[in-house]
Amino acid sequence: EAQVTQNPRYLITVTGKKLTVTCSQNMNHEYMSWYRQDPGLGLRQIYYSMNVEVTDKGDVPEGYKVSRKEKRNFPLILESPSPNQTSLYFCASSPGTRKTGELFFGEGSRLTVL
Amino acid sequence: AQSVTQLGSHVSVSEGALVLLRCNYSSSVPPYLFWYVQYPNQGLQLLLKYTTGATLVKGINGFEAEFKKSETSFHLTKPSAHMSDAAEYFCAVSVLTGGGNKLTFGTGTQLKVEL
Repeated sequence: EAQVTQNPRYLITVTGKKLTVTCSQNMNHEYMSWYRQDPGLGLRQIYYSMNVEVTDKGDVPEGYKVSRKEKRNFPLILESPSPNQTSLYFCASSPGTRKTGELFFGEGSRLTVL
Repeated sequence: AQSVTQLGSHVSVSEGALVLLRCNYSSSVPPYLFWYVQYPNQGLQLLLKYTTGATLVKGINGFEAEFKKSETSFHLTKPSAHMSDAAEYFCAVSVLTGGGNKLTFGTGTQLKVEL
């Protein structure tokens, strides 16, 4: 089944404790992206990657890191989480950067930073 | 830069009534337009999309949307609401830039369906 898989789905952590949210897609998509969803703000892009070893900042990149060492994986790293990073995070992928831009989403990871 | 405005963060309809969720966009180039639906505790799934061609687009679950360039709108409709339609709906616009496609989302509309 074609899918985008995120882990963990739920996580409670404390300020400053490094964490990684993994994302994997099995559709051989070139493009991958991370969004955060907050009430009243919709989805905002954190980082995106157009292909292996190519990443770039989205609209709200502060406090986050990403890497794209393999085509299928795009982990999101919070080196020193803070309470304002409490949010619902979505990973998404797309077949290619010069097509329509339609995204396929994972089921989300709800992060709480105390 | 492109942007999306969804009018009404909450919409409530009776079961069987017309659903109308409004979306207006701004873009300096021809856009691709999308509606996504998010059910509780789930990710976003595509309802329908407009890329090129026919401006009336049909999607899943009986939804449709019409691209009106003159009004820069892409409103989502369904003739008869069902309880299972209760969810959050996001309009999105994609524009091809030098860095590839960027998908920009509206702030979402929560649809409530009442008996």
